[in-house]
Amino acid sequence: DAGVIQSPRHEVTEMGQEVTLRCKPISGHDYLFWYRQTMMRGLELLIYFNNNVPIDDSGMPEDRFSAKMPNASFSTLKIQPSEPRDSAVYFCASRLSGRAIDTQYFGPGTRLTVL
Amino acid sequence: GEDVEQSLFLSVREGDSSVINCTYTDSSSTYLYWYKQEPGAGLQLLTYIFSNMDMKQDQRLTVLLNKKDKHLSLRIADTQTGDSAIYFCAENNDYKLSFGAGTTVTVRA
Repeated sequence: DAGVIQSPRHEVTEMGQEVTLRCKPISGHDYLFWYRQTMMRGLELLIYFNNNVPIDDSGMPEDRFSAKMPNASFSTLKIQPSEPRDSAVYFCASRLSGRAIDTQYFGPGTRLTVL
Repeated sequence: GEDVEQSLFLSVREGDSSVINCTYTDSSSTYLYWYKQEPGAGLQLLTYIFSNMDMKQDQRLTVLLNKKDKHLSLRIADTQTGDSAIYFCAENNDYKLSFGAGTTVTVRA
């Protein structure tokens, strides 16, 4: 089975530009999570969805960040306008509820550099 | 994750045992996890322990849980160069995972 797929793997952009990160969860999983990883803050949960509905977006840093999940197999995280402090690795993870072992499966991440 | 704390670095000689420690705060967590992150990759679930257990062994890995002190540890026996990575402790809380800052393990020859 394919794991969680993220694109692009690397993104370099200039301050002020719009950035869109993409995620395809594992087929059949009903939860999707977006995380950000930086040296200073470690791994932060930004937002998560259950059955395509945003449940908790309290980790989204500010209004420049938005996330959508139009269907069960696709989600986007958008930053507009981007700033240098947004530079980080962004991970998407998915989870299947009701399993004996409750865990999340992570994608390989998108490394974002904002110049 | 502010609720999960772990030391940041560990250096170990190849063939020795590694012990990574973690403290957590949510006593209602059903599971506690150890994730491994290799360079340039996402996090992979390494092992887990159910909260009503105090020890779990899986080949070279031993997880110890002290619920009274909210302390979790991961022991890697016969550490190999392929074990060099960042190890994250995590607790589950209402479908979310709270992660520690990660312990960078460096294996030296």
